[in-house]
This record gives sequence, structure tokens and C-alpha cells, in this order.
Amino acid sequence: EAGVAQSPRYKIIEKRQSVAFWCNPISGHATLYWYQQILGQGPKLLIQFQNNGVVDDSQLPKDRFSAERLKGVDSTLKIQPAKLEDSAVYLCASSLGTVSPLHFGNGTRLTVT
Amino acid sequence: DAKTTQPPSMDCAEGRAANLPCNHSTISGNEYVYWYRQIHSQGPQYIIHGLKNNETNEMASLIITEDRKSSTLILPHATLRDTAVYYCIVRVGNYGQNFVFGPGTRLSVLP
Repeated sequence: EAGVAQSPRYKIIEKRQSVAFWCNPISGHATLYWYQQILGQGPKLLIQFQNNGVVDDSQLPKDRFSAERLKGVDSTLKIQPAKLEDSAVYLCASSLGTVSPLHFGNGTRLTVT
Repeated sequence: DAKTTQPPSMDCAEGRAANLPCNHSTISGNEYVYWYRQIHSQGPQYIIHGLKNNETNEMASLIITEDRKSSTLILPHATLRDTAVYYCIVRVGNYGQNFVFGPGTRLSVLP
């Protein structure tokens, strides 16, 4: 089975610019997650979707970050405007059900200069 | 915050068993323990999960204590490719879906 696909793999932008990341989950997986991983730390959950509805976005900095999952399949995560501290790897994951494990993509490495 | 505690780093000789401990003293009765690992420049990779019984798959074994307050991930014959950061996660959240990662254990397999 195909894994979680993410693009782009790398992105370099200047502060105050905008950026968007794309994720295609494993087919049939209803739950989709976006995580932020800063160098040397474990991943931190930003937002969780169940189909096309938001389950948890309590840790999403909503003044600059937004995410959507139209039609309950693909998802995009946007940052506008970016700050230096947003430099991180952005990971997308999906899962089949309540106790099913999460399956992660290889992430997008964002560098903000 | 993560509900688990792991040692920050461990070493293991190639070919020997690697035993990675995890404490989760506040685990609830219906919470599962999951193990992931992350190799540099890749996303976390699922290894194994369990509720109360010991589990084994082609990658590893998971031993959960009877009181469920701790667990051990066992890699039976560690290879250099097993060098990675290993995360022990207890599922938290109202919907039983949220995974909270701690800093994990950096395992170095030495030749």
C-alpha cells in the first residue's frame, strides 16, 4: 500500500513570506494529523482532522497557521506570514481508526531566513 | 505533556538485544502503548503497540508489566540500521486519537 505522501520535501523562504504544504494520506484513512518537529525535539501535534472536520486544533497558532482538508482526503497546511521560529519539519500522518497506529510521511523541511 | 518517561540515550552492541525501557505510571485502563522510531531525515516509523498482553512482530517485542506502569521494547538482534530515536507513546485525548511525543531515547548501535 502507498504511504503518506507529502510535498515539497524542502522549502526555504524569507520571514514574512507565505508557504503551503500538501499531504495525501493513505487511502481510506479517515483521520489526518499535522505535526511540527523542531530540531532535537519530538513531533508536536498542530491539528487533527476526522474526515473533513477538525477534531483538535488547540495547539495551532491560528494567527498565522491554517489548515484544511477539503473532501476529507488531501490536506494543506499554510503559514502566513512565516517567522524564523517556524523553521522545522512539518509531518503529516494518517490513521484508519480509533486504536490504529499513525502512519507518517517523511515531512517537509522548512527553513525561514 | 507526554505521559511517558524514557532515558535520553542508550548504546547497544551490534547483534545483541536492545532493551528500551519506558515508564507510564499514570496510564489509564483503556490506553494503549505505542512505539515508534525515527531515523534521521525520515518521519516516525510505527514499530508495535499493545494494551496489556505482550506483543511480538517481525520488528520487535513489547513487554508490558502486569500493573501496566512500564514497558520495554526489545529489538532481539540489533543492527547498525536500528540506530534511531525511539519514542514510547501513550494515547491521550478525549477522542483517543492524540499522540503526544516526548523527547524519546536515542539508541546507538555500535559495531
